[in-house]
Amino acid sequence: GDSVTQMEGPVTLSEEAFLTINCTYTATGYPSLFWYVQYPGEGLQLLLKATKADDKGSNKGFEATYRKETTSFHLEKGSVQVSDSAVYFCALSDQTGTASKLTFGTGTRLQVTL
Amino acid sequence: EADIYQTPRYLVIGTGKKITLECSQTMGHDKMYWYQQDPGMELHLIHYSYGVNSTEKGDLSSESTVSRIRTEHFPLTLESARPSHTSQYLCASRRGAVFGETQYFGPGTRLLVL
Repeated sequence: GDSVTQMEGPVTLSEEAFLTINCTYTATGYPSLFWYVQYPGEGLQLLLKATKADDKGSNKGFEATYRKETTSFHLEKGSVQVSDSAVYFCALSDQTGTASKLTFGTGTRLQVTL
Repeated sequence: EADIYQTPRYLVIGTGKKITLECSQTMGHDKMYWYQQDPGMELHLIHYSYGVNSTEKGDLSSESTVSRIRTEHFPLTLESARPSHTSQYLCASRRGAVFGETQYFGPGTRLLVL
């Protein structure tokens, strides 16, 4: 079945540092890929997405490129801020099923300090 | 901005009580989902619905039940709460047959069963 493997956390960075959170996936079809962010006490918000190979999703300075050859969708940001402290989830949606279920990674907690 | 609501946001109850967690969305989305999020952050799909009068069990077995009598409403019920039900419950929805569409999440209900 489908699966998502995500970099273990927590990740602790100083403000303005470069961020990479690794994500690789296994899927039988041609999935769409997503990064969600969860701030303390809140639900998940879509951060960015990509629906086909070589697509780059971007939002709020975060980027991720859909790499079919390496089955990866790593999240990057050039300069993190304290306000980026949150839990980040990589997910895929296999479009072949009618339920359009999401398969999530285990989440990576990011802590940014001054 | 997603319009999906969950009530209550926090609930503390005693063992054996019956509870209903409410979830409503105003976007007219056909598909709705319930996730259980454990303290380790991992998300587990426990129920989903394709539309009115459709409900399916998710990937994680749950003692809860759901109903979908109206498009906008997808309540989750626990007939007899136990401490093992303590968790955060997240509701989500998405449009039906749209490739690459995201799920929109509510803010969650944090449940503590004593």
